[in-house]
Amino acid sequence: GQNIDQPTEMTATEGAIVQINCTYQTSGFNGLFWYQQHAGEAPTFLSYNVLDGLEEKGRFSSFLSRSKGYSYLLLKELQMKDSASYLCAGVYGQNFVFGPGTRLSVLP
Amino acid sequence: EAGVAQSPRYKIIEKRQSVAFWCNPISGHATLYWYQQILGQGPKLLIQFQNNGVVDDSQLPKDRFSAERLKGVDSTLKIQPAKLEDSAVYLCASSLEVRGPAINTEAFFGQGTRLTVV
Repeated sequence: GQNIDQPTEMTATEGAIVQINCTYQTSGFNGLFWYQQHAGEAPTFLSYNVLDGLEEKGRFSSFLSRSKGYSYLLLKELQMKDSASYLCAGVYGQNFVFGPGTRLSVLP
Repeated sequence: EAGVAQSPRYKIIEKRQSVAFWCNPISGHATLYWYQQILGQGPKLLIQFQNNGVVDDSQLPKDRFSAERLKGVDSTLKIQPAKLEDSAVYLCASSLEVRGPAINTEAFFGQGTRLTVV
């Protein structure tokens, strides 16, 4: 299968910067999505990368390196409301393949 | 714009019973997905429709799970009979029609149905 790997849990302090990494299988890969999911709620779209490089959207940025099979989500100026799970999803043809998610806890 | 609607929000059943979930996607979205999300894990695709045709059902346990999207709009997912390991959140998502060889548009998720099998 298309192995999507992320750290299970991360902790950071309010106001800080945190980087959540995601690695994936490059064979058949077409693009990468990041979603945010608060506990008990639906995943919501954050970003989409198909080309190498950094996509910036406010406090959130996402980076992709297709040759290395690597992406990261960068969250700046962390707020308490950023405590959530962050899901990395690879696109393989007509399918999204989700990673296990990274549960981020933001501490005061 | 109305989002993806799912019902019920919660369901508790005994093992070996049957259950059905309903999903109404965003208007105009041709692609519809059903995902199973076990606590602490990422969503796992069960079945993907484009209009009323099945694109991928390779991970659907067909001996007990079935899904349909008869008119290419809303969809139902059924489990019959349920097992304890089916306890999970069942998420429905929709997106604009996938054109070309790969997805290039985000999926919008409903709030899910939390199923507990006892």
